[in-house]
Amino acid sequence: KNQVEQSPQSLIILEGKNCTLQCNYTVSPFSNLRWYKQDTGRGPVSLTIMTFSENTKSNGRYTATLDADTKQSSLHITASQLSDSASYICVVSAYTSGTYKYIFGTGTRLKVLA
Amino acid sequence: EPEVTQTPSHQVTQMGQEVILRCVPISNHLYFYWYRQILGQKVEFLVSFYNNEISEKSEIFDDQFSVERPDGSNFTLKIRSTKLEDSAMYFCASSERSSTDTQYFGPGTRLTVL
Repeated sequence: KNQVEQSPQSLIILEGKNCTLQCNYTVSPFSNLRWYKQDTGRGPVSLTIMTFSENTKSNGRYTATLDADTKQSSLHITASQLSDSASYICVVSAYTSGTYKYIFGTGTRLKVLA
Repeated sequence: EPEVTQTPSHQVTQMGQEVILRCVPISNHLYFYWYRQILGQKVEFLVSFYNNEISEKSEIFDDQFSVERPDGSNFTLKIRSTKLEDSAMYFCASSERSSTDTQYFGPGTRLTVL
């Protein structure tokens, strides 16, 4: 069964600290993996997209890693800011029989405190 | 910066009524999507649309749902006979050249079915 599991469910850190969010998936056949940031009541905003051959991708203070062998990804946030408080969602796409499926994780809710 | 817009921001309807949710994707984008997020749950893919036809659809997207691009700018989601369980936030998204490109999400329409 295609699943995307994220951990932790929630996380509280102090401003300026780093953190790492985890995503494990069982999606097959794998096409790409995306990380989104979703503020409460808003639409998701894309942070990174990685294909099978990419191990790491950065977007400012966000760095995503992908290990396609172990089917794990992580999102590292450096020098956190109050505005990083949001849900971070991992989405894995499967491509089969000419169509894409998009499987969303339940997200990690991050709160950054001053 | 171009953005996806959605109207209305909030729609309240009676069970059994038809609703049409509207989206204006980014102007040069060719791929369009609808997602939904039931309160407190993860985002779910509904449908993608390219070249005036459905590219992919999920199991959720049954005969009660339909999508249309009635003119050069709007992209609509119609729910024919709403059910209580259709209450959710509905997000429209668009991507430029392919479904592996970055998807840009709109702010969402909150649908409440009474």
